[in-house]
Amino acid sequence: GDSVTQMEGPVTLSEEAFLTINCTYTATGYPSLFWYVQYPGEGLQLLLKATKADDKGSNKGFEATYRKETTSFHLEKGSVQVSDSAVYFCALCSPDTGRRALTFGSGTRLQVQP
Amino acid sequence: DVKVTQSSRYLVKRTGEKVFLECVQDMDHENMFWYRQDPGLGLRLIYFSYDVKMKEKGDIPEGYSVSREKKERFSLILESASTNQTSMYLCASSRTDPPQPQHFGDGTRLSIL
Repeated sequence: GDSVTQMEGPVTLSEEAFLTINCTYTATGYPSLFWYVQYPGEGLQLLLKATKADDKGSNKGFEATYRKETTSFHLEKGSVQVSDSAVYFCALCSPDTGRRALTFGSGTRLQVQP
Repeated sequence: DVKVTQSSRYLVKRTGEKVFLECVQDMDHENMFWYRQDPGLGLRLIYFSYDVKMKEKGDIPEGYSVSREKKERFSLILESASTNQTSMYLCASSRTDPPQPQHFGDGTRLSIL
């Protein structure tokens, strides 16, 4: 079945540092890929998405590129802020399989220090 | 704006009780989902519904049931609560059109004593 693997956290960075959170996946067909973010005490919010190979999703300074050859969708940001501290989830959806739900990675906690 | 509302943020119940978690969405979405979130495990799908009165089991349905009598409302039921059901429960909804980004509620943190 489908699966998503994320790097374990927590990831601790200083403000303005470069961020990479790795995400790789196993899926049937051509899944859509997502990054969700969960701020403390809140539900998940969609951060960005990509629906086909080589697509780049971007939002709020975050970017991720759909790499089919390496089955990866790594999240990057050039300069993190304290307000980016949250848990980040990589997820996929494989409509080819008829499954409408998302398959999530285990989440990566990011802590940004001033 | 998109809104998924879960009836309770925090809930404490006792072992053996029947527990109801309610979720309402105002976006006329066909699909609704219940996940549970546990540290180190991410989110796991319990049940989902793609239409009124329709439901399908997710990855971990044991000990749970659901009800969808109206399009906007999706209820999760713990038939006889157990301590291993202590968790964060998240409701989500989406349209059927791909790529199907889901919209989430703020979650219900449920403790079973």
